[in-house]
Amino acid sequence: NAGVMQNPRHLVRRRGQEARLRCSPMKGHSHVYWYRQLPEEGLKFMVYLQKENIIDESGMPKERFSAEFPKEGPSILRIQQVVRGDSAAYFCASSPGQGNTIYFGEGSWLTVV
Amino acid sequence: EDQVTQSPEALRLQEGESSSLNCSYTVSGLRGLFWYRQDPGKGPEFLFTLYSAGEEKEKERLKATLTKKESFLHITAPKPEDSATYLCAVQASREKLTFGTGTRLTIIP
Repeated sequence: NAGVMQNPRHLVRRRGQEARLRCSPMKGHSHVYWYRQLPEEGLKFMVYLQKENIIDESGMPKERFSAEFPKEGPSILRIQQVVRGDSAAYFCASSPGQGNTIYFGEGSWLTVV
Repeated sequence: EDQVTQSPEALRLQEGESSSLNCSYTVSGLRGLFWYRQDPGKGPEFLFTLYSAGEEKEKERLKATLTKKESFLHITAPKPEDSATYLCAVQASREKLTFGTGTRLTIIP
């Protein structure tokens, strides 16, 4: 079984550009989560989505960040007008439903120059 | 607000030297406590979920236990390949996981 697939694995953007990170959940999983890991910090929750619905976005910055999980295709985390402070590892995770184990992908490393 | 504190921050052991990692938590209504292993440049790899005080789970050289205020990850006779950062996380009323900052474990051959 394929795990949680994230791409790109590494992304370099100049300040002011847009970053799009993609996540395909494990087969049979309909719940997707995004976490951010800043250098020397722990994993921080950003957003929890089900197909076509944002369930919990309490960890998302108020501006420039958005996430979606369309009926067809991967989940997308979009960061507009990136700044150096956005440089981090972004991890996607998925689960088959509430109360189940949450499995993580290998991450997307964003570097803003 | 849910809080997770892991100790020690870093631990160096000789191969075969057993020890324990600690995860203390404060949460309203614990639904589950998760342990993950993370290697450099990789995503967290699931190890265990514990749901109620007194529960124990084992996998190879690892054993996780849970009380009402903390969890321990016991490592018995570790090998160099057990070197990694071990992460603890709690899940409360919402689906999100709240993570500690991890314990960086190094096993010296």
